[in-house]
Amino acid sequence: DAGITQSPRYKITETGRQVTLMCHQTWSHSYMFWYRQDLGHGLRLIYYSAAADITDKGEVPDGYVVSRSKTENFPLTLESATRSQTSVYFCASSALTSRPVYEQYFGPGTRLTVT
Amino acid sequence: AQSVAQPEDQVNVAEGNPLTVKCTYSVSGNPYLFWYVQYPNRGLQFLLKYITGDNLVKGSYGFEAEFNKSQTSFHLKKPSALVSDSALYFCAVRVQAGTALIFGKGTTLSVSS
Repeated sequence: DAGITQSPRYKITETGRQVTLMCHQTWSHSYMFWYRQDLGHGLRLIYYSAAADITDKGEVPDGYVVSRSKTENFPLTLESATRSQTSVYFCASSALTSRPVYEQYFGPGTRLTVT
Repeated sequence: AQSVAQPEDQVNVAEGNPLTVKCTYSVSGNPYLFWYVQYPNRGLQFLLKYITGDNLVKGSYGFEAEFNKSQTSFHLKKPSALVSDSALYFCAVRVQAGTALIFGKGTTLSVSS
């Protein structure tokens, strides 16, 4: 299906385990983003990628790792999950971020619980 | 530092009444401003954006927003609220030299019948 998808939609994991959240988009958008959504904080940027093999840190990158070997995929890995990483994670993509200004399109989110 | 503020955690309006969801911003340079809506258990959906030009921007589902440079505000408005408008609304800004969006904390809109 066209669009941006995330998997899994729900995940429960234990403290210390490694977990990977997947993001896939079919638009061939250059930019992809990972945000986390927490009550009282809105959405905060974790990592973003301008193109395949180009990634950069956002506001809250600690404890997360990303990769982007293909334009359409942007997985987010929690190397050793902690309870503070319990959150809803959103992936987004955008055609460009320079002029003209394109909006970002968001996936449905992954609700992660770390016990 | 760039920031976006949504001063109200919740806005309550009756169906058929006009609604306003407030947003103010603080950026250096010209801002690109966005409104997104999030329904329960869904991702964010784009509503509208201000880039340049007319200060009144029209978007999806009958929403509009007014850019006010002197007050550094970008309030979301709708002339007549619907119960189905009940959702979480986010204001966001992207600065010209930046890449990602900076989001406000969100405002829950509740429209009663």
